[in-house]
Amino acid sequence: GEQVEQRPPHLSVREGDSAVIICTYTDPNSYYFFWYKQEPGAGLQLLMKVFSSTEINEGQGFTVLLNKKDKQLSLNLTAAHPGDSAVYFCAVRGGNYAQGLTFGLGTRVSVFP
Amino acid sequence: EAAVTQSPRNKVTVTGGNVTLSCRQTNSHNYMYWYRQDTGHGLRLIHYSYGAGNLQIGDVPDGYKATRTTQEDFFLLLELASPSQTSLYFCASRMAGPEVFFGKGTRLTVV
Repeated sequence: GEQVEQRPPHLSVREGDSAVIICTYTDPNSYYFFWYKQEPGAGLQLLMKVFSSTEINEGQGFTVLLNKKDKQLSLNLTAAHPGDSAVYFCAVRGGNYAQGLTFGLGTRVSVFP
Repeated sequence: EAAVTQSPRNKVTVTGGNVTLSCRQTNSHNYMYWYRQDTGHGLRLIHYSYGAGNLQIGDVPDGYKATRTTQEDFFLLLELASPSQTSLYFCASRMAGPEVFFGKGTRLTVV
């Protein structure tokens, strides 16, 4: 089945700097991709969803890039601020339609002044 | 915004105890899922269902049972809880589309 590798596991970022989290997946039939943010003690907040083959989506303070050729999904935090401190998960919908999402192991991001 | 409600939010039980975690969604979603979240393992799928009475085994089903009694309600049962089942449990649901909606989680501690 689908496997998702996420790196790095931890990221310390100075406020105002940028940072990148990368996920690599295995199933070439995967077609839906998501980034979730989890703040301490909270549930999973959907940040962005990406569906197209090569796509860049921009949100508030971040950019998501999907490269299907290389089977990579990336999240770029631009101009990090303290509110970005959280654990970020990528998630992939693989070829097993019913089974839902396969998650990366998460990246703990800490933004320091 | 779709709503998925989990109860209880926190639970402490003893080894060998019997625990039921509840999940309700009022979005008429077909698919419901139970995940556990552990440091170093991310979220792992325990059981899932695509309708009332249907149950499917996920990736880490050992020690867990599940029941989907109605379209809205999905329960996770631990009949002989063990310390290795101490975890943060998430329920999720979705319709036919790709987006999955998560509950706020249940933190279970087995002492």
